[in-house]
Amino acid sequence: ETGVTQSPTHLIKTRGQQVTLRCSSQSGHNTVSWYQQALGQGPQFIFQYYREEENGRGNFPPRFSGLQFPNYSSELNVNALELDDSALYLCASSQLAASSYEQYFGPGTRLTVT
Amino acid sequence: QKEVEQDPGPLSVPEGAIVSLNCTYSNSAFQYFMWYRQYSRKGPELLMYTYSSGNKEDGRFTAQVDKSSKYISLFIRDSQPSDSATYLCAMWGDTGNQFYFGTGTSLTVIP
Repeated sequence: ETGVTQSPTHLIKTRGQQVTLRCSSQSGHNTVSWYQQALGQGPQFIFQYYREEENGRGNFPPRFSGLQFPNYSSELNVNALELDDSALYLCASSQLAASSYEQYFGPGTRLTVT
Repeated sequence: QKEVEQDPGPLSVPEGAIVSLNCTYSNSAFQYFMWYRQYSRKGPELLMYTYSSGNKEDGRFTAQVDKSSKYISLFIRDSQPSDSATYLCAMWGDTGNQFYFGTGTSLTVIP
């Protein structure tokens, strides 16, 4: 059974640029959630995708968008990057139908915006 | 008021001590309560989850939920240096598929 993987590991971008982060869900999982974790804080829910549709969204502006593909992998896109977007971005997968509360995280992508 | 409150610590204990980590919450819709362990610069690792009130034990770890007080705890017995990490509580319920996390408690177990 393969775990959740994310790419890239680290990324440095300039304010105003756009970024795409990628996530492969754990085998057998059909739901992906994305989180932003600032230094010293807990993860903040960005949104969740189930069957290629957004299935819940946290308090993040529209410049944060996502996609889920038929193989359940997912992308997080952030447009017009701001300095405050610097954080660890975490992807978590789960089986929505069975136990959405039992989600497993990937190692994260550390984004630095300068 | 935040949905979930967690004392950030840091907490430092000698090896073998019993550790108590706690979170309080305000939303009665929370039904599932999770504890994650996060090592530095890594993703959170699911330790345990519980449903509703009561205790759940897994090896050296015991999770406790008191819904009447909106209070959850994680106890670590015979703590080891490898337990040194940040511990995050998380909650989920009828909240639009959204998990709510505490800020995390940083724990150091001294050999």
